[in-house]
Amino acid sequence: EAGVAQSPRYKIIEKRQSVAFWCNPISGHATLYWYQQILGQGPKLLIQFQNNGVVDDSQLPKDRFSAERLKGVDSTLKIQPAKLEDSAVYLCASSLFLVGETQYFGPGTRLLVL
Amino acid sequence: GQQVMQIPQYQHVQEGEDFTTYCNSSTTLSNIQWYKQRPGGHPVFLIQLVKSGEVKKQKRLTFQFGEAKKNSSLHITATQTTDVGTYFCAALEGSNYKLTFGKGTLLTVNP
Repeated sequence: EAGVAQSPRYKIIEKRQSVAFWCNPISGHATLYWYQQILGQGPKLLIQFQNNGVVDDSQLPKDRFSAERLKGVDSTLKIQPAKLEDSAVYLCASSLFLVGETQYFGPGTRLLVL
Repeated sequence: GQQVMQIPQYQHVQEGEDFTTYCNSSTTLSNIQWYKQRPGGHPVFLIQLVKSGEVKKQKRLTFQFGEAKKNSSLHITATQTTDVGTYFCAALEGSNYKLTFGKGTLLTVNP
């Protein structure tokens, strides 16, 4: 079974530029999550999708971050414009359903904002 | 929202020594998950605890959920260099089952 795929693996941009990350969850997984992990901290949930609907986006900085999962499969996370403090690893995870399921994480995209 | 505190932040041990990390919450947890993240890697699910007082074992790893469901621990017996990484507890909260991660405990093992 293929795991969660993410691209790109690394990205370096200057502040005020925009950037997009892509995630393809494990086939058949209904729930998709985007996390932000700052160095030395635990992952922080940004947004959670159930199929193509948003379940929780309470910690998503909506003035600059957006995410979509139009067909209920893959997803993109965008930052526009980026700030220095957005430097982090962006992790995508998926789970079969919603209720207390094991989450499977992708390798992450390491973003550096200069 | 839910907050989980993990201690210690760092732990360095000699290979063969035991290791324990603790996770505490001020509120009752419905359940708790544990993840391991190797340096440069991504979190990997280890276990989920649901019942009060629950104890689960995976080889050298022992996981406990407190009687009041406000704390949890992970104990590794006789550490090996392959145990190196950051161990996170994560609490499920709300009807959306959102995971809130602790800050993790970084374990390093001296061979």
